[in-house]
Amino acid sequence: DAKTTQPTSMDCAEGRAANLPCNHSTISGNEYVYWYRQIHSQGPQYIIHGLKNNETNEMASLIITEDRKSSTLILPHATLRDTAVYYCIVRVEPGVYGGSQGNLIFGKGTKLSVKP
Amino acid sequence: DAGVTQSPTHLIKTRGQQVTLRCSPKSGHDTVSWYQQALGQGPQFIFQYYEEEERQRGNFPDRFSGHQFPNYSSELNVNALLLGDSALYLCASSFWGRGSPLHFGNGTRLTVT
Repeated sequence: DAKTTQPTSMDCAEGRAANLPCNHSTISGNEYVYWYRQIHSQGPQYIIHGLKNNETNEMASLIITEDRKSSTLILPHATLRDTAVYYCIVRVEPGVYGGSQGNLIFGKGTKLSVKP
Repeated sequence: DAGVTQSPTHLIKTRGQQVTLRCSPKSGHDTVSWYQQALGQGPQFIFQYYEEEERQRGNFPDRFSGHQFPNYSSELNVNALLLGDSALYLCASSFWGRGSPLHFGNGTRLTVT
């Protein structure tokens, strides 16, 4: 079973910030939080990931609470092309000496609909 | 720089038949994972290949098998197809031994009739 809980669906007005929450209350110290999205008829696309500090890249920002039990993905200015299913995943990273990546356990994600 | 490519994009097979799906990883990547995505569900992990060996396997029967070639490309084989095998099959590539994100292809849509 997925280790995360996300709302089934959310709406956002075009041009506004989209804030997608994720609960991962059982996260371990060596697990990262990853976000992927899947636009209709395409494969999942990596967005961002983090361990405990907030992260930002050209696509989004990731805010992780201090206790690491929840996080929020922020799309600062949502466009119609951001309409997709967004998956929040926790994942163990390989150790210093390599090893298996660990597979991704997807839940059902959040269906984000950006409306004009 | 080509990303992950999968072939074919669509496939229709009959129950009991066998199917082979193909994947070329993103340039530079050495690890390939396969996922099955049923309609309305998130992707489910099938297995992962590195150095031509299966390294991890999800909860899938032995009818699902794979192979990785020296050039890092990979095949997924499914024998004795069932109606329930109808799904989108996704290939993802990455670097082994690093915390690198997975890069996914757009998948092969398999329909079993």
